[in-house]
Amino acid sequence: IQLTQSPSSLSASVGDRVTITCRASQGISSYLAWYQQKPGKAPKLLIYAASTLQSGVPSRFSGSGSGADFTLTISSLQPEDFATYYCQQVNSYPVTFGPGTKVDIK
Amino acid sequence: EVQVVESGGGLVKPGGSLGLSCAASGFTFSSHTMNWVRQAPGKGLEWVSSISSSSTYIYYADSVKGRFTISRDNAKNSLYLQMNSLRAEDTAVYYCARVRFEDGHYIRDDLWGQGTLVTVSS
Repeated sequence: IQLTQSPSSLSASVGDRVTITCRASQGISSYLAWYQQKPGKAPKLLIYAASTLQSGVPSRFSGSGSGADFTLTISSLQPEDFATYYCQQVNSYPVTFGPGTKVDIK
Repeated sequence: EVQVVESGGGLVKPGGSLGLSCAASGFTFSSHTMNWVRQAPGKGLEWVSSISSSSTYIYYADSVKGRFTISRDNAKNSLYLQMNSLRAEDTAVYYCARVRFEDGHYIRDDLWGQGTLVTVSS
C-alpha cells in the first residue's frame, strides 16, 4: 500500500492553521497513524486510528479520515511544531510510511 | 523509565555483516510485537521488520528479505537485527519501536529508541 502526502513542504507562521493530507493507494479503514519528527530525533507518535490523540499530545493536533483519505490538522501552529510529519498505514504488512511533509517557518 | 535503547551501529564494508540490539526496560517486553524502522540520511522512514511477542510471526520488507534476520530474547528483554550482505543503500539510522495492538489489530508504534547509525562504505 503506497501513501502519498501533500504538500511535501509548507511554510507557515506561528498561529496559522495547517492541514496535511495523506492518501493511500487502497482503502485502509482507519488504520493510519501520524508522527512528528525533528532533526536528529526519533519520530514521535501524534495520532493513531486516524483520529485518536496519543496521550500527552497537545489538543491543537487532530486527525480525520477513513478509507483512503486522511488529514492531520494543527489548529494554531506553535514554534515547537516546526518539524517533518509522516503518515503510516498499519492496515497490512508491509507497513508503509508516507514521504513526509516538512513544516518550516515563513 | 519506559524506554528502548538501540546499540551496535557502526561502519561496515559492502558485503559485510553487522548485528544490532535493542534493550527494553520499564514495560513487559514479552507482551509486545516489536519493529525495526530505518531512515537513510536526509530521507523518510522505512519499516524494515516486525516480530511478534513470542516470535511466531515475522515479517520483512522486500528490500531486506533474505539478508536481514530479526529475533528476540524475552528473558533478556532484547530485540536483535542481524544484517548480512550489506549494501550502501542500507546506510541509515535504525530505530526499534514498540507496537501496540487494539482488538487484535496493529494500531501504532508508540515507543521509539534514539536510533543507531549504520554506515555501509568501503
